Amino acid sequence: DIVMTQSPESLAVSLGERATINCKSSQSVLYSSNNLNYLTWYQQKPGQPPKLLIYWASTRESGVPDRFSGSGSGTDFTLTISSLQAEDVAVYYCQQHYDIPLTFGGGTKVEIK
Amino acid sequence: EVQLLDSGGGLVQPGGSLRLSCEASGFTFSSRAMNWVRQAPGKGLEWVSVICGDNDDTYYADSVRGRFTISRDKSKNTLYLQMNSLRAEDTALYYCARGRRGSCYSDFDFWGQGTLVTVSS
Repeated sequence: DIVMTQSPESLAVSLGERATINCKSSQSVLYSSNNLNYLTWYQQKPGQPPKLLIYWASTRESGVPDRFSGSGSGTDFTLTISSLQAEDVAVYYCQQHYDIPLTFGGGTKVEIK
Repeated sequence: EVQLLDSGGGLVQPGGSLRLSCEASGFTFSSRAMNWVRQAPGKGLEWVSVICGDNDDTYYADSVRGRFTISRDKSKNTLYLQMNSLRAEDTALYYCARGRRGSCYSDFDFWGQGTLVTVSS
């Protein structure tokens, strides 16, 4: 199984400041035939189902604010919120869909400092 | 508008059974991979099972293989999860989640609101 490890488990950031979340996979999720990373980021607010933010590691889902960006390739990935807003308080998860079982990181809780 | 309506959760004793349903609308149900993902109280997300959109193959997490069965009725646009031999550790909010692609190797672009399964005596 591909193990997804997120860091930190939680972080507190001031409004308007940058938040950075890391995700590392135990093996590469880069599919060589199409050069795509099978890595997705989700946001989950309290009492709600997860929402897809970023797929193929760096492609923003339609409607997602451009303060959210994804980067990385192979085994190391980053989700960045460039200027934290109050509505961004949530738990963020990475997920790989390169192999089955599909697996998630443990989540990173983002709060306001 | 895409809609996924999860239902069927409840309180069940250890060793019991439940069948979850997910009624889908607003998209071509048969062409997408459909998944069940669960979240234990206060915990993270755990993928449970998928039925592929391209060939209806099925796959399961090790934790549920042999006890759970995923299926779909294309005439009713409904996804199911038959859960047998339930254990306390199966207690969770179960989400139906649509695959972003037809392939089983997909992420999830739309989620139901979830249905709560509690396994307790």
